[in-house]
Amino acid sequence: DAKTTQPNSMESNEEEPVHLPCNHSTISGTDYIHWYRQLPSQGPEYVIHGLTSNVNNRMASLAIAEDRKSSTLILHRATLRDAAVYYCILRDPGGSNYKLTFGKGTLLTVNP
Amino acid sequence: EAQVTQNPRYLITVTGKKLTVTCSQNMNHEYMSWYRQDPGLGLRQIYYSMNVEVTDKGDVPEGYKVSRKEKRNFPLILESPSPNQTSLYFCASSRGSVNEQYFGPGTRLTVT
Repeated sequence: DAKTTQPNSMESNEEEPVHLPCNHSTISGTDYIHWYRQLPSQGPEYVIHGLTSNVNNRMASLAIAEDRKSSTLILHRATLRDAAVYYCILRDPGGSNYKLTFGKGTLLTVNP
Repeated sequence: EAQVTQNPRYLITVTGKKLTVTCSQNMNHEYMSWYRQDPGLGLRQIYYSMNVEVTDKGDVPEGYKVSRKEKRNFPLILESPSPNQTSLYFCASSRGSVNEQYFGPGTRLTVT
């Protein structure tokens, strides 16, 4: 799987927007960009994914650069419950294993 | 409610005593997988299954066995646990290659 680069940690204030960046300069044309998060003492949780166009769902928005070499996960109003490790993962839909390759992710701290 | 369940959630055992960690999903997903999470190493895939009776090794399969006799269940078997298998284990399931994966709550295993 192609590699992603994320900041080790970020900090935000409650009710403010958070922009979590991810660089993936070696992304292939078929790779989807997935975001998962892991809250303390819980299993990873799917957040959002996209291929080329920006995506929105009830949890977040995903902004994908035109050249697809970077993307940004946007939490519109951070809450204390959003404090977690956020993982940016590239997934090639081909192949027989749907393995997710987790990197170190970004630890998001939300201040009250 | 769509979910992946794991049992037990916590287990302390001794070296060599066979154990099974169960995983069950209620979403009729074909794909299921086991990961282990260790500090500094992130999540690594142990085994996966594309469907009933179809299983294959992930990145760290040594010391583990799996079976997939029914679509909903994917137990992880440690025939002779050793201390280096002390870890946090997650089961996951998915409908397809680009669909989100659902993770269980985790099983914390300690082998003394």
